[in-house]
Amino acid sequence: SQQGEEDPQALSIQEGENATMNCSYKTSINNLQWYRQNSGRGLVHLILIRSNEREKHSGRLRVTLDTSKKSSSLLITASRAADTASYFCATDTTSYGKLTFGQGTILTVHP
Amino acid sequence: DGGITQSPKYLFRKEGQNVTLSCEQNLNHDAMYWYRQDPGQGLRLIYYSQIVNDFQKGDIAEGYSVSREKKESFPLTVTSAQKNPTAFYLCANPWSSGAQDTQYFGPGTRLTVL
Repeated sequence: SQQGEEDPQALSIQEGENATMNCSYKTSINNLQWYRQNSGRGLVHLILIRSNEREKHSGRLRVTLDTSKKSSSLLITASRAADTASYFCATDTTSYGKLTFGQGTILTVHP
Repeated sequence: DGGITQSPKYLFRKEGQNVTLSCEQNLNHDAMYWYRQDPGQGLRLIYYSQIVNDFQKGDIAEGYSVSREKKESFPLTVTSAQKNPTAFYLCANPWSSGAQDTQYFGPGTRLTVL
């Protein structure tokens, strides 16, 4: 079964707008990671947030983690058409980096 | 793609045939992972290996087999026992920096059963 559930399944916005994606999970985690996948390609790591962290930034990306609610959000600010991709959250519940992925959010940014 | 190569990019197979997907890494990492992705779905773990000559079943290992004879290679065989083999297959290599474990992914192999 999937550890992570993502919401929304699909998101369509205009260039310049912010995009927010949410991820909920079921069990305690060591860390939570966000990945991006362009159509038909491998996944690219975006950002990792540890269980003792609440917020993390990387460029236009902002990730929050609420362990009491078992949820995380990924915010992409000032979106660009090139941000169009699928975004996945993945949780690490082991001591050796085994990840469990959510089903992903498909983001479309219209120019 | 983080030093991971997968071949071929596209693979077609007749029903009932076994097929082997290649995954090679030049990062000198001990661990390697195989995932399966179906359309509109996230990744599901098939097999993983944390060290040479050792591997473990993931969440959906039935119908698949692997070997880890060399550190740089982790081939995946999709056997005729796999009922729905058509999917996108991704190989990954964990990377650690301190307490952070992320994964580098290969470009993937898209398998289609005719």
